[in-house]
Amino acid sequence: EVQLLESGGGLVQPGGSLRLSCAASGLTFSNYAMSWVRQAPGKGLEWVSAISSSGSGTYYAESVKGRFTISRDNSKNTLFLQMNSLRAEDTAVYYCARWYSHYFDYWGQGTLVTVSS
Amino acid sequence: EIVLTQSPGTLSLSPGERATLSCRASQSVSNSYLAWYQQKPGQAPRLLIYGASSRATGIPDRFSGSGSGTDFTLTISRLEPEDFAVYYCQQYGSSPLFTFGPGTKVDIK
Repeated sequence: EVQLLESGGGLVQPGGSLRLSCAASGLTFSNYAMSWVRQAPGKGLEWVSAISSSGSGTYYAESVKGRFTISRDNSKNTLFLQMNSLRAEDTAVYYCARWYSHYFDYWGQGTLVTVSS
Repeated sequence: EIVLTQSPGTLSLSPGERATLSCRASQSVSNSYLAWYQQKPGQAPRLLIYGASSRATGIPDRFSGSGSGTDFTLTISRLEPEDFAVYYCQQYGSSPLFTFGPGTKVDIK
């Protein structure tokens, strides 16, 4: 059974940084591209970033480009999202998801990031 | 940038009724790279349909997807109590790499 477990969320001040992790199990992690999708409180889904299976290809939404960095450690079956220069509008539940073909077939339960002073 | 519009915003129906949800794209979605997800309160989204019309593993056959180009539809043939949720469409291909629609809430009439 595929399991994705996010961690690292919490309360951070505007302008601060946070690093999210997503531990994967039940799959050959290095074979799959991965992604982060977020959901602001009471709002819809927003794609944030994605990374190829090897880590050589990275992709970002315009809203986070230059502030967020996606990476992965295939030896530890873990996906990361380094978030810098955080803004109030980055407040959301952040989900990691497996990117397969053109869709996301497995999702974690999410981790809440709150940006507030 | 492809923008997805979903209608209606809210659909109020009774169990056993048929639900028809629409997803319209501002430009043609290449290769029918269109997916549908279901999300219940406090839960992660769940993949229902990919490639516009293929059901994901374990999804009941009362869920079906259709469409191509710019117009796509998710149909739930007979609503079960567990189907009341928010449904999102999502496209892949154009910058940004992925786009979600704003969602349609299916609630109990």
